[in-house]
Amino acid sequence: DAGVTQSPTHLIKTRGQQVTLRCSPISGHKSVSWYQQVLGQGPQFIFQYYEKEERGRGNFPDRFSARQFPNYSSELNVNALLLGDSALYLCASSLGAGGLTDTQYFGPGTRLTVL
Amino acid sequence: AQSVTQLDSQVPVFEEAPVELRCNYSSSVSVYLFWYVQYPNQGLQLLLKYLSGSTLVKGINGFEAEFNKSQTSFHLRKPSVHISDTAEYFCAVIGPYGGATNKLIFGTGTLLAVQP
Repeated sequence: DAGVTQSPTHLIKTRGQQVTLRCSPISGHKSVSWYQQVLGQGPQFIFQYYEKEERGRGNFPDRFSARQFPNYSSELNVNALLLGDSALYLCASSLGAGGLTDTQYFGPGTRLTVL
Repeated sequence: AQSVTQLDSQVPVFEEAPVELRCNYSSSVSVYLFWYVQYPNQGLQLLLKYLSGSTLVKGINGFEAEFNKSQTSFHLRKPSVHISDTAEYFCAVIGPYGGATNKLIFGTGTLLAVQP
């Protein structure tokens, strides 16, 4: 079975632009979470979506938004890009919304560089 | 609020030597702890997790970790490392939402550098 897939792999944008990152969960998984990993740091939680509804949001500005589609894939949008948004954006999928035995499986990430 | 601290940013070790990567957590409630590994240019892979029960948890690739409530620690160990174990290792705890979400709170990571 295919794992979590993300596109694109790499992306270069300039300050002020907007970007959309995409994630396809493992087949059968209904929850998608997004994390931001700045170089040299651990991943930081941005959003979780389950059954197309937002279930959690991290400490990120409103420039960050996301949505989940009926096929459970997800998009992360970032508006008005800042240099500090340069990071690896990770998507994780899980079967359910938040059971403790609900392992999260991570994709390879999208490397965003803002110039 | 829950948090994890990884005291060592980098741990150099020779091949076939034992290794311990340290993780301490801070929480006022029950904790659920995880170790993830990130190989270069890849996403995160779950090594092992502690939810309840036995304090010694065995994971993939020969790794194990011990949950110590009195010392608030969850150190990762391997008796004999290989070159292929070179990677970044992250300790994580489930966030304060409990069962509502499975938000993970990560430490800053430890780079395990295995030398021949």
